[in-house]
Amino acid sequence: QSVLTQPPSVSAAPGQKVTISCSGSSSNIGNNYVSWYQQLPGTAPKLLIYDNNKRPSGIPDRFSGSKSGTSATLGITGLQTGDEADYYCGTWDYSLSAGVFGGGTKLTVL
Amino acid sequence: QVQLQESGPGLVKPSETLSLTCAVFGYSISSGYYWGWIRQPPGKGLEWIGNMFHSGSTYYNPSLESRVTISVDTSKNQVSLKLSSVTAADTAVYYCARFTRYDACDIWGQGTMVTVSS
Repeated sequence: QSVLTQPPSVSAAPGQKVTISCSGSSSNIGNNYVSWYQQLPGTAPKLLIYDNNKRPSGIPDRFSGSKSGTSATLGITGLQTGDEADYYCGTWDYSLSAGVFGGGTKLTVL
Repeated sequence: QVQLQESGPGLVKPSETLSLTCAVFGYSISSGYYWGWIRQPPGKGLEWIGNMFHSGSTYYNPSLESRVTISVDTSKNQVSLKLSSVTAADTAVYYCARFTRYDACDIWGQGTMVTVSS
């Protein structure tokens, strides 16, 4: 059971927009910054979003992040088949004094 | 360009200690950041194991804290992981990562698969 809750799967058609939610509590998302990761099949995760809504160099602006209260959201616009991957949210949990991840969301581009 | 490379045995016997090393290239560990480990059991999600600052501050997943040790060797520019008393539940791909402020992992190794089996 993950500390952060994500939907197991989402799907959308190419060119469309999709959002992935990440729900936590005041001990984690509510009082810390959220990061998002993309894991393509058979590869290591890659940082997509950090500090709630910042993109590392090289990440296209089709990817966006937001946070409100104890929840965070990853948005992907202009979906491409290459976006099919598992997406994870992560943050620090002050009660645990440790990092935590969501259970992951599998994105299918129909 | 910063790169991380994990190495270690791919097979460990139950009750023994899992030992992995992460070599860091393109950046001096002693210059900053936290360095640590994340694992992923086959077909499952990511699990945060722990991280360490070069000066010694260390954080561990409470569920693993009694069995895990992370250390940094600045002379070799390496990060190490030791996990004792392993069971089949510790079978996973183990990733080394660099942790920025607020615990975002901006650099990952390619991962190394460790199987716990007799």
